[in-house]
Amino acid sequence: DAGVIQSPRHEVTEMGQEVTLRCKPISGHDYLFWYRQTMMRGLELLIYFNNNVPIDDSGMPEDRFSAKMPNASFSTLKIQPSEPRDSAVYFCASSLGRTGGHHEQFFGPGTRLTVL
Amino acid sequence: AQSVAQPEDQVNVAEGNPLTVKCTYSVSGNPYLFWYVQYPNRGLQFLLKYITGDNLVKGSYGFEAEFNKSQTSFHLKKPSALVSDSALYFCAVRRGGGGADGLTFGKGTHLIIQP
Repeated sequence: DAGVIQSPRHEVTEMGQEVTLRCKPISGHDYLFWYRQTMMRGLELLIYFNNNVPIDDSGMPEDRFSAKMPNASFSTLKIQPSEPRDSAVYFCASSLGRTGGHHEQFFGPGTRLTVL
Repeated sequence: AQSVAQPEDQVNVAEGNPLTVKCTYSVSGNPYLFWYVQYPNRGLQFLLKYITGDNLVKGSYGFEAEFNKSQTSFHLKKPSALVSDSALYFCAVRRGGGGADGLTFGKGTHLIIQP
């Protein structure tokens, strides 16, 4: 398996623009997670899905952030409008949570977002 | 609420010496504990986990960790450090049980192995 795939790897945009980050989880995994990493706040959980359904979005910073999972092999995290304080590395991870699953989460390479 | 503390921002160890990276946690119920490693400009790589059973768990690259319930600790160890072990290490916790849950991470510890 290719592992968790994220695109783009780097994104530079201007304040006020819409940004869409993409993730393809490992095939067969039933959980998908979005995390954000910054120097100040470390790694934070933003939202996670189970079988394409959002379970906990309490970590989403504000209404400018939204996430969708239209099918088992694709998820997006959208920021509209973007602000400089959104600059961070955004990670997607997936895991197998059903009975017999392995519990650990497998992370993608991340998307480094810079908002000017 | 669950939390993880990694009390050391940086740990320096000479190559060939044993290393320990400390982690303590707080969570309701039984914990699932994890260690991840991050190399520069890379994602997080899974090292090892404690779910249940033997308190000493072994993982990738010769790392091991000991779960201590009374001290709520899960320290990462390796008997003989390599320069290539230099990286950023994260401890993480979630509540035990079925399904899955988001991980709560510590702030990370920079491990520097000196030749």
